[in-house]
Amino acid sequence: DAKTTQPNSMESNEEEPVHLPCNHSTISGTDYIHWYRQLPSQGPEYVIHGLTSNVNNRMASLAIAEDRKSSTLILHRATLRDAAVYYCILRDSNGNQFYFGTGTSLTVIP
Amino acid sequence: NAGVTQTPKFRILKIGQSMTLQCTQDMNHNYMYWYRQDPGMGLKLIYYSVGAGITDKGEVPNGYNVSRSTTEDFPLRLELAAPSQTSVYFCASSSTGGRTGELFFGEGSRLTVL
Repeated sequence: DAKTTQPNSMESNEEEPVHLPCNHSTISGTDYIHWYRQLPSQGPEYVIHGLTSNVNNRMASLAIAEDRKSSTLILHRATLRDAAVYYCILRDSNGNQFYFGTGTSLTVIP
Repeated sequence: NAGVTQTPKFRILKIGQSMTLQCTQDMNHNYMYWYRQDPGMGLKLIYYSVGAGITDKGEVPNGYNVSRSTTEDFPLRLELAAPSQTSVYFCASSSTGGRTGELFFGEGSRLTVL
């Protein structure tokens, strides 16, 4: 199964954009890229997903490299409530198993 | 809608005891999952189910059992609890499998085995 690599931690100032990178060099042509986040003491929650094209929703944007070997989750204006662990996950062709790594712990500085 | 409900939220077990973690969802989702999360780590898949009567192993199934007799319920059974099973357990559900389904998680059950 294809794996992802993310930085362990990142910091951002409040109200500034945040770019969270993810490398997935062994991604297959049919794997979708999913992002989830986990607030302290809560279960993960869905953020966004995509295949090839960039995607936007009310929470974030997902920018996918042309070769699909990397992607970036973009939070346009970080708030204190965005402090969480962000997971980049590949959904494989089986589709029944998500593999979570250790994610990126985002700290938002007031 | 309540979404995904897990009980109990906290539990302390002695080594060798058994217990069942309950998970119920009211979204009529076919796909359900159990994960465990050790301190400072990501989530690891224990078992999953693609529908009533169908279950399959994930990454770390040893020491656990599941059943899926109804669409709504997906209990996780721990037999002969061991300290290595001290963790936070999350149940999740999804309306679809495949590559695009969104997972909905419960709030977690924190288990300590002493």
